Amino acid sequence: DQQVKQNSPSLSVQEGRISILNCDYTNSMFDYFLWYKKYPAEGPTFLISISSIKDKNEDGRFTVFLNKSAKHLSLHIVPSQPGDSAVYFCAASEGGSRLTFGEGTQLTVNP
Amino acid sequence: GAVVSQHPSWVICKSGTSVKIECRSLDFQATTMFWYRQFPKQSLMLMATSNEGSKATYEQGVEKDKFLINHASLTLSTLTVTSAHPEDSSFYICSAGGGGVQPQHFGDGTRLSIL
Repeated sequence: DQQVKQNSPSLSVQEGRISILNCDYTNSMFDYFLWYKKYPAEGPTFLISISSIKDKNEDGRFTVFLNKSAKHLSLHIVPSQPGDSAVYFCAASEGGSRLTFGEGTQLTVNP
Repeated sequence: GAVVSQHPSWVICKSGTSVKIECRSLDFQATTMFWYRQFPKQSLMLMATSNEGSKATYEQGVEKDKFLINHASLTLSTLTVTSAHPEDSSFYICSAGGGGVQPQHFGDGTRLSIL
């Protein structure tokens, strides 16, 4: 039972444009959501998070949106840079700590 | 800088060997650490939750006797893959921190290849 799903395995955007990565979840008890960035043969790096009491959180070029009624969250990166090319994982937890990950989306930003 | 250190980063060994992977939290104490496994082009799957001073909590389908976890101090958890076989070849990643609205931080992972 995949409780967190990222339906797009890959996304390609042009440098300077907006990248939008999507994530859906099924467990309505999830109350904390995170996005991680991962390069091959490295551990995930924390990017940004949002708690269920908010619908938006912004940090520099990264903004996460949460739509609880749709059980959907998205990560916006603007402007996209070639160095943003990596695999992005969304993750969710219920009551903190234990994380459930999506399958990941490979983002490629073309110069 | 890194807040979680994982060692070794790469292990190649013969079938039947036991392999120990260390995960250390740097500059903070972690009563709970987590061990994940990632197969190529797949998601990170939680294997077990490591609890300082008590037994680890394993996810369904993960063999306790195969993957031994020890969390003897507030900054160190170890995962030992006992009698490793080629099907155990994978990328193993630990994390620490988290809880409430704090993010978990991950180590750089260990690439385990069993010949």
